[in-house]
Amino acid sequence: GAVVSQHPSWVICKSGTSVKIECRSLDFQATTMFWYRQFPKQSLMLMATSNEGSKATYEQGVEKDKFLINHASLTLSTLTVTSAHPEDSSFYICSARDLNRWDTEAFFGQGTRLTVV
Amino acid sequence: GIQVEQSPPDLILQEGANSTLRCNFSDSVNNLQWFHQNPWGQLINLFYIPSGTKQNGRLSATTVATERYSSLYISSSQTTDSGVYFCAMWGGSEKLVFGKGTKLTVNP
Repeated sequence: GAVVSQHPSWVICKSGTSVKIECRSLDFQATTMFWYRQFPKQSLMLMATSNEGSKATYEQGVEKDKFLINHASLTLSTLTVTSAHPEDSSFYICSARDLNRWDTEAFFGQGTRLTVV
Repeated sequence: GIQVEQSPPDLILQEGANSTLRCNFSDSVNNLQWFHQNPWGQLINLFYIPSGTKQNGRLSATTVATERYSSLYISSSQTTDSGVYFCAMWGGSEKLVFGKGTKLTVNP
């Protein structure tokens, strides 16, 4: 099956610093990648959709300047949380799909647990 | 937008019991998926099932598109089945819309 690798699995950073999270599709080309945020005991909330080589599309209420998304290749997307604050602490999950195949399913990374202290 | 509703929100079982989880959606089904989120947060793909019935070991899923629901059946549950089960459906804007999940606890 398709494998999506997310790194790091967990990270602790100081308030005011930036953190980069990587999402890689290991055995398929991901024309589109998605970034989600999940608060404890809640469902996944879509933050943004990124297409290779173009700007990400952010959901309403998601700060573009705080959550920088880059989808530089068909196998790599990155999410950078800039000037992190404690309220940014959360579980972030990426997903990838090959939209050239309309009937394919989405596959998810392992998730990254971010704690800002 | 599309609404995805899951029931029940919580389910507690004894090991060996069977269970059915339900997913209702407000619009025509489009590439529905079932996931299991384990205690470490990893989302594991269970089924990709826009219609019909699929089985994988002790798990099976059925989607009835005309009635706008899907169900996930777990037989002979094990403690390792514990976690949160999500159904999700692709919306018209190519976004995966998640239900709120069913938290399953299987006690030994």
